[in-house]
Amino acid sequence: DAGVTQSPTHLIKTRGQQVTLRCSPKSGHDTVSWYQQALGQGPQFIFQYYEEEERQRGNFPDRFSGHQFPNYSSELNVNALLLGDSALYLCASSLEQGRIYNEQFFGPGTRLTVL
Amino acid sequence: AQSVTQLGSHVSVSEGALVLLRCNYSSSVPPYLFWYVQYPNQGLQLLLKYTSAATLVKGINGFEAEFKKSETSFHLTKPSAHMSDAAEYFCAVSDKRGGSNYKLTFGKGTLLTVNP
Repeated sequence: DAGVTQSPTHLIKTRGQQVTLRCSPKSGHDTVSWYQQALGQGPQFIFQYYEEEERQRGNFPDRFSGHQFPNYSSELNVNALLLGDSALYLCASSLEQGRIYNEQFFGPGTRLTVL
Repeated sequence: AQSVTQLGSHVSVSEGALVLLRCNYSSSVPPYLFWYVQYPNQGLQLLLKYTSAATLVKGINGFEAEFKKSETSFHLTKPSAHMSDAAEYFCAVSDKRGGSNYKLTFGKGTLLTVNP
């Protein structure tokens, strides 16, 4: 089991550009969450996808959007990049079973640098 | 709204000494509480979680934490530090009513250094 995988590992973009980050969940998981971790900070929740729909959203602008595919993999898109978008982007996957607690497993992250 | 405060952005201990990392939370609803560890250039790994009535929670690598509702605290401890414990530690809270997949709210983290 490869666990949660993310690509690319590192990415360098310039202001105003657009970026797409990808996440493959752990085998058997159907829910994907995205977090932004700025340098020296804790991760901040961006949004969560379940059944190909955005189910929860944190306090991030509409420049941040996502998608979940039928195979449960997910993409995070950021438009009109700002310097402040430079961060480690973490993907977490889990299995939805209502009130049964299931751990969220995190991937290694994608390091985005905006110049 | 939920929030987490981790007291001390950097804690330094000697190998074999007690590790104590402090976490206080704010939540108007019954919380789930978590401790995660992050090694350099890696993602987050769950150390332990509080999701039920058992207030003393044991996790991996000898760590444990105690949920104290009256103090709104969830401090992480380990009796004897090992060099391999050096990492960043994050406390997180989630809304239990939202189910197991509700969003996690993290603290700013505590960097643990272990000196030989």
